[in-house]
Amino acid sequence: DGGITQSPKYLFRKEGQNVTLSCEQNLNHDAMYWYRQDPGQGLRLIYYSQIVNDFQKGDIAEGYSVSREKKESFPLTVTSAQKNPTAFYLCASALSYNEQFFGPGTRLTVL
Amino acid sequence: AQKVTQAQTEISVVEKEDVTLDCVYETRDTTYYLFWYKQPPSGELVFLIRRNSFDEQNEISGRYSWNFQKSTSSFNFTITASQVVDSAVYFCALSEAFGNQFYFGTGTSLTVIP
Repeated sequence: DGGITQSPKYLFRKEGQNVTLSCEQNLNHDAMYWYRQDPGQGLRLIYYSQIVNDFQKGDIAEGYSVSREKKESFPLTVTSAQKNPTAFYLCASALSYNEQFFGPGTRLTVL
Repeated sequence: AQKVTQAQTEISVVEKEDVTLDCVYETRDTTYYLFWYKQPPSGELVFLIRRNSFDEQNEISGRYSWNFQKSTSSFNFTITASQVVDSAVYFCALSEAFGNQFYFGTGTSLTVIP
């Protein structure tokens, strides 16, 4: 089945650690996105990528990094520079100007 | 500036009531796309509808209907005869023709009371 997978579903991190969230899609979509959602709030764009080996910062990129070495994969690293990383992280992909399809999300908690 | 405004933060209705979720958008592009997504408690966003700026026809899909009015920059979503399974957060979004960014509203949390 085509779709977007995110792993892990739940992730716990100690302060000062970097963690990487996985996002894979087999929809052959060009564009991929990372969003952060805090309780009771909307989606805020972290990074997005329209083609392999290229990506752009979104509204809240500080403390995060990404790579896009393959069309299917767009991992997000939450670095120790991110001061308040506890949140729900959603990955999405899309064909140009079409609807975004979302993965199931990763819930990150800093201990 | 906020490109998509969902002024209703939370709505509660009793089952079988109709409910309308408001969405107002802002763009200078003549070509753009509007979307609605549903986020159930599980967290994953589910796509509901896509509308392009040249198609102002209202759309109905079962109990769901959408009213797109360019004159008021609104793209409202109505659920007829609401059910408990409709309880979720609903997001309206805008995509402009240039650039691949989506702009999401802050969402409306709908609770349907049995």
